[in-house]
Amino acid sequence: NAGVMQNPRHLVRRRGQEARLRCSPVKGHSHVYWYRQLPEEGLKFMVYLQKENIIDESGMPKERFSAEFPKEGPSILRIQQVVRGDSAAYFCASSPIGGGSTDTQYFGPGTRLTVL
Amino acid sequence: AQRVTQPEKLLSVFKGAPVELKCNYSYSGSPELFWYVQYSRQRLQLLLRHISRESIKGFTADLNKGETSFHLKKPFAQEEDSAMYYCAPNGGSYIPTFGRGTSLIVHP
Repeated sequence: NAGVMQNPRHLVRRRGQEARLRCSPVKGHSHVYWYRQLPEEGLKFMVYLQKENIIDESGMPKERFSAEFPKEGPSILRIQQVVRGDSAAYFCASSPIGGGSTDTQYFGPGTRLTVL
Repeated sequence: AQRVTQPEKLLSVFKGAPVELKCNYSYSGSPELFWYVQYSRQRLQLLLRHISRESIKGFTADLNKGETSFHLKKPFAQEEDSAMYYCAPNGGSYIPTFGRGTSLIVHP
């Protein structure tokens, strides 16, 4: 059981480029959550997805950010036209049960995005 | 608005000393409370949840509804307890709110 996998672990982009962050949940988990951690701050919720559905994206910036969790393959967090303020650690978590349950979330190691 | 406060950014103690990591929350209703821990070069993981009333690695946390606090305590700190600790109340939805974390350093 490899747990939640995220890749890449480190990603460097220049301003204006696109960043794609991948998350493979624990085998059997169908609920994925993305969080962002800015320097000196706690984890901030961004989006909650189930397979092929976005359940809650209330924490996502309105522009440039999107997320998907297709039927097959990993969940993708996509940031278009990155800016320096997007530099942060992005964490993915998965759980077997979601939507109203306080089931434990299992976290990935994170992707550290640096925008030059 | 839901809010969680971890007032100490850094807590430094010597081995064998008692430890208390503070957490205060502001929530309506009855949230469920969690403590997560991140050891050096490891991923964030659940340490304990108040509903279980358990002691993990010698740590306990008592929910004080009057003070809206959920402080994490251990009577005798060990060097391997050095890590980042995050308090995370969950207001009944699937989304916990994470505090900014407290870095615990236990000196030999």
